[in-house]
Amino acid sequence: DGGITQSPKYLFRKEGQNVTLSCEQNLNHDAMYWYRQDPGQGLRLIYYSQIVNDFQKGDIAEGYSVSREKKESFPLTVTSAQKNPTAFYLCASSTRIELFFGSGTQLSVL
Amino acid sequence: GQQVMQIPQYQHVQEGEDFTTYCNSSTTLSNIQWYKQRPGGHPVFLIQLVKSGEVKKQKRLTFQFGEAKKNSSLHITATQTTDVGTYFCAASNSGYALNFGKGTSLLVTP
Repeated sequence: DGGITQSPKYLFRKEGQNVTLSCEQNLNHDAMYWYRQDPGQGLRLIYYSQIVNDFQKGDIAEGYSVSREKKESFPLTVTSAQKNPTAFYLCASSTRIELFFGSGTQLSVL
Repeated sequence: GQQVMQIPQYQHVQEGEDFTTYCNSSTTLSNIQWYKQRPGGHPVFLIQLVKSGEVKKQKRLTFQFGEAKKNSSLHITATQTTDVGTYFCAASNSGYALNFGKGTSLLVTP
């Protein structure tokens, strides 16, 4: 079954802790993305990667980091520098037209 | 990134009524996409519009791209409870990264 898998579905972060959200795709897409969704704010772009070993900052990259060591994987680390991390995080991959989204990770702060 | 403004933020209709959401940009767009997110779900691609003045239909949904390629609309005829969700427009000037509007949340009462 082709698609995008995000894990975990729910994640809790303690003060000062870094956490990593997983995103894996088997669609053979070159491009992958991370978006943050807050209620009433739509989707805001955090990072994107057009090809392995390359990625670019989006509009709200501060406090986040990514890696793209494999075509299938694009993990997002929410660092302790991100002071307001509570949000719904969506990973996506893309043909040159549409985005395919994973089912998301809800991150909350303890 | 490319800014798109979407109105209204919320819309509550009776089943059978029509619904329209609008997406506006201050600059010319190369294309525009529409996505639907059901409550608790992830965004799903509906359509892409590319040409000036383009009109596309999907059953009860009609999508339009303005002549100046600065605005777009999604119209649903005779809403059903299955239409409930948030509708997003998204645009990019070029390249891979899409910027999303804040979305219009549609509630349909039976």
